[in-house]
This record gives sequence, structure tokens and C-alpha cells, in this order.
Amino acid sequence: ETGVTQTPRHLVMGMTNKKSLKCEQHLGHNAMYWYKQSAKKPLELMFVYNFKEQTENNSVPSRFSPECPNSSHLFLHLHTLQPEDSALYLCASSQDEARAALKAGELFFGEGSRLTVL
Amino acid sequence: SQKIEQNSEALNIQEGKTATLTCNYTNYSPAYLQWYRQDPGRGPVFLLLIRENEKEKRKERLKVTFDTTLKQSLFHITASQPADSATYLCAQGTGTASKLTFGTGTRLQVTL
Repeated sequence: ETGVTQTPRHLVMGMTNKKSLKCEQHLGHNAMYWYKQSAKKPLELMFVYNFKEQTENNSVPSRFSPECPNSSHLFLHLHTLQPEDSALYLCASSQDEARAALKAGELFFGEGSRLTVL
Repeated sequence: SQKIEQNSEALNIQEGKTATLTCNYTNYSPAYLQWYRQDPGRGPVFLLLIRENEKEKRKERLKVTFDTTLKQSLFHITASQPADSATYLCAQGTGTASKLTFGTGTRLQVTL
């Protein structure tokens, strides 16, 4: 139990569907992240929110739309995805974006949402 | 752009031996390196962080070194156990968590 909860754990969707991934952290952190993990590839940073403000969009296609209503919740809205978007989507949090590096430096990850696009 | 490489995709060792995993980086020296453990179907779990001005860090059976001359970090697990079997990820950072660059990971298998 890392304090970061992701739902759903598994999701199968067609290319025309709209779905959302949800992440909630109970650690009192102020920074939240979305990562994509594909087989045999390194983790790819997608989005960063620091104190509810988006601070990073790593050239992610617009079919992925993040939302951060407060520091504890993060969503990833999915629309008209492609089969190559199938991957493990990981949410993470840290105390805040800057202090994470200076202090413990660690990211706390959720268990991930395994997405399959048919 | 900054790259980080974990040379071995997989490493098999016998229980009780020391496992040594390698992480190499290119270009400029990162401010710090992190190591994470990831079990199948789970998210990565933070293990250790080492900063550029530190040579070595230890935590129980784990040891991490940082050699800025060789541009390399070594991750050691002493007295390895089957429960240590997992994928280990190396990540380099330049200042903030959003600038972390991850390696592809090394899958460690510890056999009896």
C-alpha cells in the first residue's frame, strides 16, 4: 500500500470509446504525475501537476486529457485512442515537484491501470 | 538529450550471492540517481537515492554507488533471496522530480 490508488486496474476499450483513469493519493502531496509504461521501454512522463497547476505536458497527443481538480486527485481522460496506446499507465505523487529532488527525492507510484485498446 | 542505460535486460543469480546491476548515463552528470523496484503488474517502489556528491549509500542489504568519472551507478543486493526477484529501475534526475529519466530496467531472477 503506497498511498496512491488507481482505478480501474484493467481497462479494455475500443478506439471510439471515451473512458477515464482515476488516481487518488492519501499522502498529503502537492505534485502528481502520469507516466506511460510500454513493454521494453522506459517510463515516459506524460503530465505533471504541481499545486493543481499543470507544469509539464511532454508532447502528449490531445486524445489524452488530464484533469487535476485538487492536489489529491488526478484524472486521465481518454478519447479515440489507438492500439499503440495500449500500455500500463502509472500515477505518481511527490511532496512537491521541487522538494522531491532535494529531500527524499522519491516518487510514490500507484499500482497502475493496464489499458488495452482494441 | 540525456540518456540512461541499464546494460542487462535480465540477470540470473543463485540465492546467497551478491547481485550487481549497472546503470550508465551519458552527457552531463545528473544531480542524483534513484533506484526503484517493480514487481510484475505493480507500480515501481522507491529504494534508494544517491546524490552526485555521495560515493555510496546503504540500506540494509542494498548498496548503491555513484561514479561520476565512469558515469555509472552500481546497485548491489547482498545475500540475495528469491524474494528479491523483480525488475529494478534506475532513474536520473537533474533537479526536480519532473525531470527524472528512467532506464528500461533489469529483471533480476534469484534461484535456489
